Amino acid sequence: DQQVKQNSPSLSVQEGRISILNCDYTNSMFDYFLWYKKYPAEGPTFLISISSIKDKNEDGRFTVFLNKSAKHLSLHIVPSQPGDSAVYFCAASANFNKFYFGSGTKLNVKP
Amino acid sequence: DAGVIQSPRHEVTEMGQEVTLRCKPISGHDYLFWYRQTMMRGLELLIYFNNNVPIDDSGMPEDRFSAKMPNASFSTLKIQPSEPRDSAVYFCASRWTSGASTDTQYFGPGTRLTVL
Repeated sequence: DQQVKQNSPSLSVQEGRISILNCDYTNSMFDYFLWYKKYPAEGPTFLISISSIKDKNEDGRFTVFLNKSAKHLSLHIVPSQPGDSAVYFCAASANFNKFYFGSGTKLNVKP
Repeated sequence: DAGVIQSPRHEVTEMGQEVTLRCKPISGHDYLFWYRQTMMRGLELLIYFNNNVPIDDSGMPEDRFSAKMPNASFSTLKIQPSEPRDSAVYFCASRWTSGASTDTQYFGPGTRLTVL
């Protein structure tokens, strides 16, 4: 059973607009969340993280929001750039080692 | 540093054959993780090691899968015998644990396995 779900397999956004990628989880014990970005033929690379003691974390154009009551997190990219086109994975963990990943959302940013 | 190195990058084999995937973690990292990525299930953790010792192998799908880490700079994931449903991309990742919340896993480029 998937404990972390990304229900949108793909998302298309115009350059300069906001991209919002969503992720839901089922395990209330999860207290640490990550977003990874993956280009074709490469391994995932870390993008941004958030712990359950926060509800928001920003890093440049990337912001992650956490809604613990809804067991939902989202990644906002503003403004979106063509180089952001990639597959984005969210991941969650209760012990900082065993991470459960979503199935990924493929983002396409159109010039 | 060269990052996490995986070999081979691509492997095509026939059902029933033994497959060995290799990983060299980043020097100094104390954790090593093996993942499998499929279209249906996304990225799944198979097993992870701490200081060369397997800690959690609950993600290993069957007894056909085994993983070893004989030293800090090398790990293998073996599938024997291989089956077509094992076709996937296998990633290795490593991490150095400083205790900071920013500790992150560094992934290798993956091995694309095709079992015919």
